[in-house]
Amino acid sequence: AQSVTQPDIHITVSEGASLELRCNYSYGATPYLFWYVQSPGQGLQLLLKYFSGDTLVQGIKGFEAEFKRSQSSFNLRKPSVHWSDAAEYFCAVGDMNSGYSTLTFGKGTMLLVSP
Amino acid sequence: NAGVTQTPKFRVLKTGQSMTLLCAQDMNHEYMYWYRQDPGMGLRLIHYSVGEGTTAKGEVPDGYNVSRLKKQNFLLGLESAAPSQTSVYFCASSRGLNSYNEQFFGPGTRLTVL
Repeated sequence: AQSVTQPDIHITVSEGASLELRCNYSYGATPYLFWYVQSPGQGLQLLLKYFSGDTLVQGIKGFEAEFKRSQSSFNLRKPSVHWSDAAEYFCAVGDMNSGYSTLTFGKGTMLLVSP
Repeated sequence: NAGVTQTPKFRVLKTGQSMTLLCAQDMNHEYMYWYRQDPGMGLRLIHYSVGEGTTAKGEVPDGYNVSRLKKQNFLLGLESAAPSQTSVYFCASSRGLNSYNEQFFGPGTRLTVL
């Protein structure tokens, strides 16, 4: 079965510093990959997604992610973190077992931003 | 557009009671989903629907039932609530065709079962 692993449960970054959140997936074919963000008490919002083509994907709020097939990774990056980026971040992959009708989510990484 | 709305926002049940959570979307989306979110577990899919009148089981369907009688609504039912069903429930919808299309999420329903 396919799966998504986010190795870091919590990450603390100073405001203005760069950020990288890790995501690894297990999947045989070329995956559909997503990053979602959840602010406290809110639903999830899509940051960016990858299907094919350029392996560096740009998203909203200044985020980007790079698909690396050789490492089975889709890490999320931001060059300079703002206090408003404090939230929980979820990586997800399209589920081939449902005919790609559904997503499998990782367990999330909580980002804390220190002043 | 209201997007995806969920009713109610909060609910407390006693063990054995039943309830229905309502999800509504005004984006004419084909696909709808129900997830539960528990600390450290991420989002787990309960049931989903790829069109009016269709439903399918997700990763954790036991103890839940769903119905999609109208395209814009997706109902999640708990027939006999258990404390293990204490969770935050999220509904989502997408345009469909495949999971490449963005899922839009509702604000969530926080359910406590005593």
